[in-house]
Amino acid sequence: GAGVSQSPSNKVTEKGKDVELRCDPISGHTALYWYRQSLGQGLEFLIYFQGNSAPDKSGLPSDRFSAERTGGSVSTLTIQRTQQEDSAVYLCASSVVGELFFGEGSRLTVL
Amino acid sequence: GQQLNQSPQSMFIQEGEDVSMNCTSSSIFNTWLWYKQDPGEGPVLLIALYKAGELTSNGRLTAQFGITRKDSFLNISASIPSDVGIYFCAGLPNTGNQFYFGTGTSLTVIP
Repeated sequence: GAGVSQSPSNKVTEKGKDVELRCDPISGHTALYWYRQSLGQGLEFLIYFQGNSAPDKSGLPSDRFSAERTGGSVSTLTIQRTQQEDSAVYLCASSVVGELFFGEGSRLTVL
Repeated sequence: GQQLNQSPQSMFIQEGEDVSMNCTSSSIFNTWLWYKQDPGEGPVLLIALYKAGELTSNGRLTAQFGITRKDSFLNISASIPSDVGIYFCAGLPNTGNQFYFGTGTSLTVIP
């Protein structure tokens, strides 16, 4: 597709379950970011991938969070043993030449 | 981490009025981006700025990269109802790969 694609758009899960969120970036974009946006808040950086370099994981809030990017394209953000405070919109963005383009986000609700 | 102060936090204006919002940072940035986010959607890129002093327009929107490289502003002229939304600034510092975001300006346009 022409833009950044994220799935699922909505996910409701029970506390303690694992979830996977997927991001398909714009074709040809070598940089991929994950951000988290809590209700009414700004965007919190989670992780950054650039080509084949080691990812910048400095924003991941705990070791329950992990992400991978296979083949330099699709990325998966995994949250293990979800907690209620993990409820948020998870936004993926891809980048080329210093411009970030966002997907529609995955809204996660942990009951 | 870097702090981006965005103001005002919210604005209520009459249709046809001009709007101004700004972001300041505690350190030098190489890139400033301005986004608009509608409810339930991802942020959409409005304007990108790459050089100190740069003034760029996109229709009724004008943004400037501050001379000190620590601030940027966004102006919207002759506001219309579809300008309603949350506007975010984002900056890329001269070290690192992480884009930092302001906390957003919520704009309400009263017809």
